Amino acid sequence: QLQLQESGPGLVKPSETLSLTCTVSGGSISSSNYYWGWIRQPPGKGLEWIGSIFYSGSTYYNPSLKSRVTISVDTSKNQFSLTLSSVTAADTAVYYCARECSGSSCKSFDYWGQGTLVTVSS
Amino acid sequence: QTVVTQEPSFSVSPGGTVTLTCGLSSGSVSTSYYPSWYQQTPGQTPRTLIYSTNTRSSGVPDRFSGSILGNKAALNITGAQADDESDYYCVLYMGSGIWMFGGGTKLTVL
Repeated sequence: QLQLQESGPGLVKPSETLSLTCTVSGGSISSSNYYWGWIRQPPGKGLEWIGSIFYSGSTYYNPSLKSRVTISVDTSKNQFSLTLSSVTAADTAVYYCARECSGSSCKSFDYWGQGTLVTVSS
Repeated sequence: QTVVTQEPSFSVSPGGTVTLTCGLSSGSVSTSYYPSWYQQTPGQTPRTLIYSTNTRSSGVPDRFSGSILGNKAALNITGAQADDESDYYCVLYMGSGIWMFGGGTKLTVL
């Protein structure tokens, strides 16, 4: 059974960089059928797609966050990572990693990590 | 800028039927947007219900169904149960690798 697990600091200071890693187990990140994505949810609010990456390193980002976001992949560790620079309190959220099924017959986020709360505060 | 629209809240009686919708502030939703639907209870991870407009995810009861209704994607829930009380999110594939979530609908069963 595929599992995704987010890890990283739960507290980040304003203006600094948020860094999270998602470790994938029970399956290979190097599959041609999937992208790997980050999605966030501020407390009490809705879901927001941040971006996705293919195992080759090809990336897509939410235009509203693109200037501050980098997503990278390490296939040797079966992990992908998120960095978000110049954070403010508005970036406080639960951050989820998820598998994005890229085929036209399955296009969706089909597996999710449990999520990790990142608070931006001094 | 285009926004994905959902009803902020909806109420249904136990055993009743409800249709939640997912639209665009500009334009119509079609199957080309590959609408998918997610159920989330407070403090929990979203659960995939429907993908590619109308395909139920594994283990999802057939009380849940998806379709295109007019110019919107729709999630139909029949025989509503107490544990259907959740937030429901749709997401649309906008093309060029870009996804956009709706604001979510809070469904109350009472």
